[in-house]
Amino acid sequence: QLVLTQSPSASASLGASVKLTCTLSSGHSSYAIAWHQEQPEKGPRYLMKLNSDGSHSKGDGIPDRFSGSSSGAERYLTISSLQSEDEADYYCQTWGTGIVVFGGGTKLTVL
Amino acid sequence: EVQLVESGGGLVKPGGSLRLSCAASGFTFSSYSMNWVRQAPGKGLEWVSFSSSSSSYIYYAGSVKGRFTISRDNAKNSLYLQMNSLRAEDTAVYYCARDPGGGPSEFDYWGQGTLVTVSS
Repeated sequence: QLVLTQSPSASASLGASVKLTCTLSSGHSSYAIAWHQEQPEKGPRYLMKLNSDGSHSKGDGIPDRFSGSSSGAERYLTISSLQSEDEADYYCQTWGTGIVVFGGGTKLTVL
Repeated sequence: EVQLVESGGGLVKPGGSLRLSCAASGFTFSSYSMNWVRQAPGKGLEWVSFSSSSSSYIYYAGSVKGRFTISRDNAKNSLYLQMNSLRAEDTAVYYCARDPGGGPSEFDYWGQGTLVTVSS
């Protein structure tokens, strides 16, 4: 069964970096994922597609502060030079034939 | 500029029906797959349905299969979601999202959403 697992919450200080994790279920470590950001009272925003080899392609207008990497079944989103507007929920998404799956989301607090 | 604008949400009684629309602009709608995604109050994102560009491939989440129908009119640059036999647990903000792949893939643009409330 295709499942994505995310930690419910994370926090980091203004100006620091944070690395969010999304874990693919057993047997699905080759899957690509996408990262999305949802700021309070706004719809989701596409950040990037992240492949199993760590290569990624970002959405329009996404700052260089956002980057992705991969290791085995883990997919990471790193945000550097944290700004207050980065405080948001972050969701990973993956897909297969006839199915789309979202992780439960990570709520990022910028201290 | 890519724009997706949902409409048609509102308050409906359990067992009732509602039809959502998503108006697309700023890209060649007929070349893209599209999806509906929902978010219940205080909850995460839940994928609802997928339509390929020509409607040749259509998929549904198990929670809505048999009750919801996705469709599109490429001449009108519009995506639809017909929702029947609505339940309280269908209460959510419904988003349409563009999908650049031939089958489901990453969602690269999202609308702002329309709220559906199912309550007596």
